[in-house]
Amino acid sequence: GAGVSQSPRYKVAKRGQDVALRCDPISGHVSLFWYQQALGQGPEFLTYFQNEAQLDKSGLPSDRFFAERPEGSVSTLKIQRTQQEDSAVYLCASSLYQGTFNTEAFFGQGTRLTVV
Amino acid sequence: QKEVEQNSGPLSVPEGAIASLNCTYSDRVSQSFFWYRQYSGKSPELIMSIYSNGDKEDGRFTAQLNKASQYVSLLIRDSQPSDSATYLCAVNKAAGNKLTFGGGTRVLVKP
Repeated sequence: GAGVSQSPRYKVAKRGQDVALRCDPISGHVSLFWYQQALGQGPEFLTYFQNEAQLDKSGLPSDRFFAERPEGSVSTLKIQRTQQEDSAVYLCASSLYQGTFNTEAFFGQGTRLTVV
Repeated sequence: QKEVEQNSGPLSVPEGAIASLNCTYSDRVSQSFFWYRQYSGKSPELIMSIYSNGDKEDGRFTAQLNKASQYVSLLIRDSQPSDSATYLCAVNKAAGNKLTFGGGTRVLVKP
C-alpha cells in the first residue's frame, strides 16, 4: 500500500483481556517503530525494529507488552492482561533508513485502545 | 529534564501572521530533526526535516536549526485557520534510531 496501515482502528478490551495490534509498513521500509500516545501528550517510544531484528525495546512499559516482526514486514504489538492505564493510541511508523539522511518516519492512522 | 522540550501553548495567532514555534533538545549527538503536524484525532504528519545548521524553507514553512544552542524552530508564514493543530518536534541520534518527541505545541489560528 501507499502508506502505513494499522488495524484495528479502534479496540475496546475488558481489563485482563489480551489484545493484538497490527502494523503494515510502507513497502521496502527497513525501520519500524511503535509509539504510545496518551491524550494531550507527544508520542512515547515503545520499540524499534530493523527488518526482523528488534534493536530497541527500552520503551515497553512492562513485560505484558510484546512486539514482533518475524519476516521483516508486518509487525504485531501484543498486550497481555490489559490494564486501564494501557488505554491510549498506539502509533506505528516506518522509515526507509538510508544512512544519516532520509530518515523520515511516516505514521499510520493509529489504533485507539480503550480498556474498560 | 525531558529530552525534547516544547511550550505546550496554545499559541494564538491571527490569520495571515507568522507563527513561531520553538523546541530545545538535550542530547548533543542528535543529528536529525523533524516537525510533525497533528490534527485532533489524527496521526502525526511529517511537514519538515532538517539535518544541518541554518534555515530550510518549504512553502510557508521554515525550519531553523542551531546545534550549538541545541535549538530547532518552525516558522509558519501567512498562517491559515487550517494550520490550527498541534506541532510536534522530534529528534533522533542517527539513522534507524528512535525518534524522541516533545509534548507538542498547540497552535490556534484565528480568522
